[in-house]
Amino acid sequence: GQNIDQPTEMTATEGAIVQINCTYQTSGFNGLFWYQQHAGEAPTFLSYNVLDGLEEKGRFSSFLSRSKGYSYLLLKELQMKDSASYLCAAMDSNYQLIWGAGTKLIIKP
Amino acid sequence: IAGITQAPTSQILAAGRRMTLRCTQDMRHNAMYWYRQDLGLGLRLIHYSNTAGTTGKGEVPDGYSVSRANTDDFPLTLASAVPSQTSVYFCASSDKGQGADTQYFGPGTRLTVL
Repeated sequence: GQNIDQPTEMTATEGAIVQINCTYQTSGFNGLFWYQQHAGEAPTFLSYNVLDGLEEKGRFSSFLSRSKGYSYLLLKELQMKDSASYLCAAMDSNYQLIWGAGTKLIIKP
Repeated sequence: IAGITQAPTSQILAAGRRMTLRCTQDMRHNAMYWYRQDLGLGLRLIHYSNTAGTTGKGEVPDGYSVSRANTDDFPLTLASAVPSQTSVYFCASSDKGQGADTQYFGPGTRLTVL
């Protein structure tokens, strides 16, 4: 079957770095997406990886290893506004997104 | 430019009633999607449409129907609501549909079925 696993909750300190991991199993693979979702709001797009390696975009970076079925989202210089849920989603062979349950990130001062 | 709008924002509905959730996008995207989001679960695809005039079933289509008469609108209908349909419903759109497109989400509709 198709499955996405990510931690339910993580806590980090303002100004620090946090890595949110995601493992996936899908029927075929057309890339890995990360979205941010603040409480009570819609998911918003953060990053897309389809090739192995690290993609850096400001304070946020995303990594993909296709052979391991593994991705992570790295957030640097954490700010209080980064408190949100982070959703990992893998795109299968039919271009449908399979979503993880999300990782709730709590930032402490 | 509004992007994607959804209506209503929230709704409390008696079981057995019919309800249509509205979704409109102004980005001229070909593909549109309906998801439900429940606590502890990932977003689950209900129905999708890759282009106007076509629709397809997602992971959890039972009890829901959709239509895509034009590019902009993609309403979701619950023919006879049941309490298990209590959820937050998100509409999304993407440019091409058949391809590794980014999906953009509307603000959601919070539906409670009593």
